[in-house]
Amino acid sequence: GQNIDQPTEMTATEGAIVQINCTYQTSGFNGLFWYQQHAGEAPTFLSYNVLDGLEEKGRFSSFLSRSKGYSYLLLKELQMKDSASYLCAVWSGNYQLIWGAGTKLIIKP
Amino acid sequence: EADIYQTPRYLVIGTGKKITLECSQTMGHDKMYWYQQDPGMELHLIHYSYGVNSTEKGDLSSESTVSRIRTEHFPLTLESARPSHTSQYLCASTPGHGDYNEQFFGPGTRLTVL
Repeated sequence: GQNIDQPTEMTATEGAIVQINCTYQTSGFNGLFWYQQHAGEAPTFLSYNVLDGLEEKGRFSSFLSRSKGYSYLLLKELQMKDSASYLCAVWSGNYQLIWGAGTKLIIKP
Repeated sequence: EADIYQTPRYLVIGTGKKITLECSQTMGHDKMYWYQQDPGMELHLIHYSYGVNSTEKGDLSSESTVSRIRTEHFPLTLESARPSHTSQYLCASTPGHGDYNEQFFGPGTRLTVL
């Protein structure tokens, strides 16, 4: 089967750094996305990785290792507004986008 | 900025009613999708379309239908609503060029069936 695993919930402190991990097992691989979703709202795009390595975009960075089926999202200088769920999604074969259940990130002052 | 719209944003209806959830996008995207998402859970694909007159079923397509008569419009119809249909419904689209682009999401419709 195809599945994506993420921790259910993480807690971090304002101003700190947090790393959210994602492991995947899919029938094919054509890229991995990270989305942010605030409670009751739609997901919004954060990053895309298709090659191994680190992609940096401001306070957010995303890393991919295709051989390990592993990615992480790194959030620096955490702000209260970063409290949200972070969804990992993989384009597998057959044009299917497989979604993880998301990691709920709680930021404390 | 993505321009994808869904109506209604909230809907409360009784069991057995027929309802249509509307989704429109003004970006000219060929590919459109419908997802169902319960709180704290992953998105489940209901239906998708690769263009006008193209519709395909996802993993969770039973009891619903879609149509794609115009590029910009992709409505979802529940023929007979049940309490198990209570959920958030998200519409998304991607550009036609390339096969593995990011998806842009509408604001969602929160449906409650009594």
